[in-house]
Amino acid sequence: AQSVTQLDSQVPVFEEAPVELRCNYSSSVSVYLFWYVQYPNQGLQLLLKYLSGSTLVKGINGFEAEFNKSQTSFHLRKPSVHISDTAEYFCAVSDRGGADGLTFGKGTHLIIQP
Amino acid sequence: EADIYQTPRYLVIGTGKKITLECSQTMGHDKMYWYQQDPGMELHLIHYSYGVNSTEKGDLSSESTVSRIRTEHFPLTLESARPSHTSQYLCASGLAGGPNIQYFGAGTRLSVL
Repeated sequence: AQSVTQLDSQVPVFEEAPVELRCNYSSSVSVYLFWYVQYPNQGLQLLLKYLSGSTLVKGINGFEAEFNKSQTSFHLRKPSVHISDTAEYFCAVSDRGGADGLTFGKGTHLIIQP
Repeated sequence: EADIYQTPRYLVIGTGKKITLECSQTMGHDKMYWYQQDPGMELHLIHYSYGVNSTEKGDLSSESTVSRIRTEHFPLTLESARPSHTSQYLCASGLAGGPNIQYFGAGTRLSVL
């Protein structure tokens, strides 16, 4: 079984400042890792994914994340945020062998302040 | 970009009514999923399907049922709605095999009075 911990339920950031949203996971097997974004009253949109290879992955809207196997982390970063980045961000994990659903963290609400 | 559609987007209904939440995808994905999401909480898997005539229960126990008669369609049914069923329900789909990338619909927000 896997679990995902998003340490911050809410992160306020000023516009154009950098941001990091933290995600740690636990699993007894190798995993795939994902970040999804949920804008108000919408479904989830895939931001980026780590499948294999380079530990730094780039996604849409200028976001990137780094997989750290030793620390079992997959933190999401953006060097300069915009008002339009205000949303809920979910980290998710899937084991490499199964066909079941994703295991999600509780989400981090990113609040961009002007 | 994935094309997965959920209807209705919002539903307010009285206790005891039977409801069906619709989910359709046009990508030909074999795998489909239903998640339940309470406000401020993570998504929990309640049902999934590997393909036509395949349905499985997820990690979170649910009184809802699902069917998969056609590849593109994965409806969720509650025979008798209760206030405890009030939640957001999200449908997703993905390709069989590979890294389990899932594409989500916009969700149905259900309120049972």
